[in-house]
Amino acid sequence: GAGVSQTPSNKVTEKGKYVELRCDPISGHTALYWYRQSLGQGPEFLIYFQGTGAADDSGLPNDRFFAVRPEGSVSTLKIQRTERGDSAVYLCASSLEGRERYEQYFGPGTRLTVT
Amino acid sequence: DQQVKQNSPSLSVQEGRISILNCDYTNSMFDYFLWYKKYPAEGPTFLISISSIKDKNEDGRFTVFLNKSAKHLSLHIVPSQPGDSAVYFCAARSSGSARQLTFGSGTQLTVLP
Repeated sequence: GAGVSQTPSNKVTEKGKYVELRCDPISGHTALYWYRQSLGQGPEFLIYFQGTGAADDSGLPNDRFFAVRPEGSVSTLKIQRTERGDSAVYLCASSLEGRERYEQYFGPGTRLTVT
Repeated sequence: DQQVKQNSPSLSVQEGRISILNCDYTNSMFDYFLWYKKYPAEGPTFLISISSIKDKNEDGRFTVFLNKSAKHLSLHIVPSQPGDSAVYFCAARSSGSARQLTFGSGTQLTVLP
């Protein structure tokens, strides 16, 4: 079946602008995660949704970052007043909950460059 | 502080030989461990996992070993193939309420033909 999809694949924006990154999870996966990966590092957790609600947003770096999942499927990560330090690959993952296995399945990511 | 550490940024092995990738962790609350493989310009792909109640899990050419007392796990690939060349990430999940995965910084594996 279809995997996790993310759009756009690349986004270049100017410092101070607003951006939205979209994630379409695997059909039927109730849990959705956003991670951020900087060069030479592993993915770092940002926020986790169970259904429509953000169950854990402890990884969001500051209040410029916000994410929604209004219908429990597609999610949008929103970044206001972008800064050059926000440049990274933003990864979305989804998983089935309520099982003993906890694999998360990742999309290809959105590469954000803030100039 | 890094709770999951992959101390070798790179590893080169000859085709047909065994590749051993190592990972150490510090958080005693981790109860599930995963390995992901990542090719350039793609997202991480799940490879194999192990629960903390086990010490070994095998899937084809891939075996993961867990040593809880040493807080150490390793991924063995045998025989290694050129297509295995990628960045490998170790990740861990906490038994607490947190659902997120904590990742290491990755090891670039190069399998030489």
